[in-house]
Amino acid sequence: DAKTTQPTSMDCAEGRAANLPCNHSTISGNEYVYWYRQIHSQGPQYIIHGLKNNETNEMASLIITEDRKSSTLILPHATLRDTAVYYCIVRGLDSWGKLQFGAGTQVVVTP
Amino acid sequence: SQTIHQWPATLVQPVGSPLSLECTVEGTSNPNLYWYRQAAGRGLQLLFYSVGIGQISSEVPQNLSASRPQDRQFILSSKKLLLSDSGFYLCAWSAKTGGKGYTFGSGTRLTVV
Repeated sequence: DAKTTQPTSMDCAEGRAANLPCNHSTISGNEYVYWYRQIHSQGPQYIIHGLKNNETNEMASLIITEDRKSSTLILPHATLRDTAVYYCIVRGLDSWGKLQFGAGTQVVVTP
Repeated sequence: SQTIHQWPATLVQPVGSPLSLECTVEGTSNPNLYWYRQAAGRGLQLLFYSVGIGQISSEVPQNLSASRPQDRQFILSSKKLLLSDSGFYLCAWSAKTGGKGYTFGSGTRLTVV
């Protein structure tokens, strides 16, 4: 699976949009971009995933560049409960798929 | 709907004692199952994964072993715990084909003393 690069940390004001970047320049054609988050002392939680089109669900939006070498996770209206480590992961869809987590981005939402 | 159960939530064990952590999945069949560990202040490390009963793959050499005696049951074991086995252990499952990726359990915080 391709490697990803994320900023170590970022702060966001409550109520504002949080834009989390991720670089995955070696992504291959059959690899998806997945986003998870881990709130302190809990298991990671799936947020969203996509292949090449932008995706939106009740939690967030995922914007993937046309060349697929980078993506941005958007939390439209950050709340204090969104404080967590956010992981961007690239992987192919196969029965042996194994998620390998990097260091992620520590997001702190402040009042 | 699918659910994943993991227990116990916390565990304190002396060095040299055995370990058995259990994970079960409900509401699905033939899932892929995974054990991860997270040491304090560190990232998630994949320990084992299984694509079927009795099929276990190890990602890193270590003091631990895993077994899958039933389709939706995944067990993490150790014969003799080391101090370095302390950490947050997470079980996860995924469907065989794509979809929403992985669903994680609530984790077991193991402290070896």
